[in-house]
Amino acid sequence: KAGVTQTPRYLIKTRGQQVTLSCSPISGHRSVSWYQQTPGQGLQFLFEYFSETQRNKGNFPGRFSGRQFSNSRSEMNVSTLELGDSALYLCASSTGPTDTQYFGPGTRLTVL
Amino acid sequence: DQQVKQNSPSLSVQEGRISILNCDYTNSMFDYFLWYKKYPAEGPTFLISISSIKDKNEDGRFTVFLNKSAKHLSLHIVPSQPGDSAVYFCAASEVQGAQKLVFGQGTRLTINP
Repeated sequence: KAGVTQTPRYLIKTRGQQVTLSCSPISGHRSVSWYQQTPGQGLQFLFEYFSETQRNKGNFPGRFSGRQFSNSRSEMNVSTLELGDSALYLCASSTGPTDTQYFGPGTRLTVL
Repeated sequence: DQQVKQNSPSLSVQEGRISILNCDYTNSMFDYFLWYKKYPAEGPTFLISISSIKDKNEDGRFTVFLNKSAKHLSLHIVPSQPGDSAVYFCAASEVQGAQKLVFGQGTRLTINP
């Protein structure tokens, strides 16, 4: 069974731009969560989606948004990029909202 | 406000010996705890979990101990193998299976031959 896939794996943007990251969950998984990993703050929860609905959101500004499609694939968007948004963005999927999460390899975003 | 803390950024252990990774938490609402392992350029991999109704859970070479009164948990790896060299993250949630995990900063474990 294929694991969680994230595209692109690496991305370089400049301040003020926006970016969209994509996550394809493990086949049969309907829950997708996003995390941001930075050296200073560690791994922080961004949001969680299940059946196209956002169930939970972390403490991030409104510039961070996401959505989930009917096939469970998910995208997250960051608008008006700031230098501090440089991070590894990880997506995790699970069969449902109460099950163990399995992580993808992440998208490394660099904001210049 | 670091609700989950891993105070040792790194740990070095000889192959074949026991590795003990520690984690402390401050939020008394946390009810479920997990350990993940992360290799460079990969996402975290789930290792083992424990519910607050237990004080120990074992899976092969990995055992997690939970001391609720001390708000402390630890991961024991016996015997340690070179492939165990990775960064280990402790995570917690308020409800078992909740998708909103709070992670510690990680401990880099190095197993020396």
